[in-house]
Amino acid sequence: QKEVEQDPGPLSVPEGAIVSLNCTYSNSAFQYFMWYRQYSRKGPELLMYTYSSGNKEDGRFTAQVDKSSKYISLFIRDSQPSDSATYLCAMRTVSGANNLFFGTGTRLTVIP
Amino acid sequence: DGGITQSPKYLFRKEGQNVTLSCEQNLNHDAMYWYRQDPGQGLRLIYYSQIVNDFQKGDIAEGYSVSREKKESFPLTVTSAQKNPTAFYLCASRGLIGANTQYFGPGTRLTVL
Repeated sequence: QKEVEQDPGPLSVPEGAIVSLNCTYSNSAFQYFMWYRQYSRKGPELLMYTYSSGNKEDGRFTAQVDKSSKYISLFIRDSQPSDSATYLCAMRTVSGANNLFFGTGTRLTVIP
Repeated sequence: DGGITQSPKYLFRKEGQNVTLSCEQNLNHDAMYWYRQDPGQGLRLIYYSQIVNDFQKGDIAEGYSVSREKKESFPLTVTSAQKNPTAFYLCASRGLIGANTQYFGPGTRLTVL
């Protein structure tokens, strides 16, 4: 079993839709959770960074962590064609700053 | 502008040749990392360095070498011993304060001909 599981998609939605992207994990010691956005042939860009459980909102993006279910989500409201990218989740333990565990990424396409 | 730069963007290599990928950062970050990204797989850690003149192997270090002579620079050499070097290579760095996570460069696409 992989440490982090992420549905690769692809996921296609119409412009303006709410998008839900998810990852599950097996290691209960993970405390820091990240979402990166990666455009084609570019490096990943940090979108959201959260510690432990709860929600964090930044503009149209909301990151949610449910540690009891070992499940994290990224919600995108009012999705735009410019949101079309691959979204990677990543996570680590408190002492594991050098050891990030990544999902394989979900490819999202927002159709105008 | 602060950031991480990688060069070249595209690199072609003949089998049996060593090649060096450049990574430079002006974020004053202490830690630097090299990852490899292949289709359908998550990022895999090759090497990382927390301080100058010190580095540690990651999960897939075989066939790669690094150096860290300056805080700003962390070049990666892909040697002829690397059996399947065609991939997208990503450099990242991390500061020790603030958002204590990794920030990535734009990547280098290496193709072995």
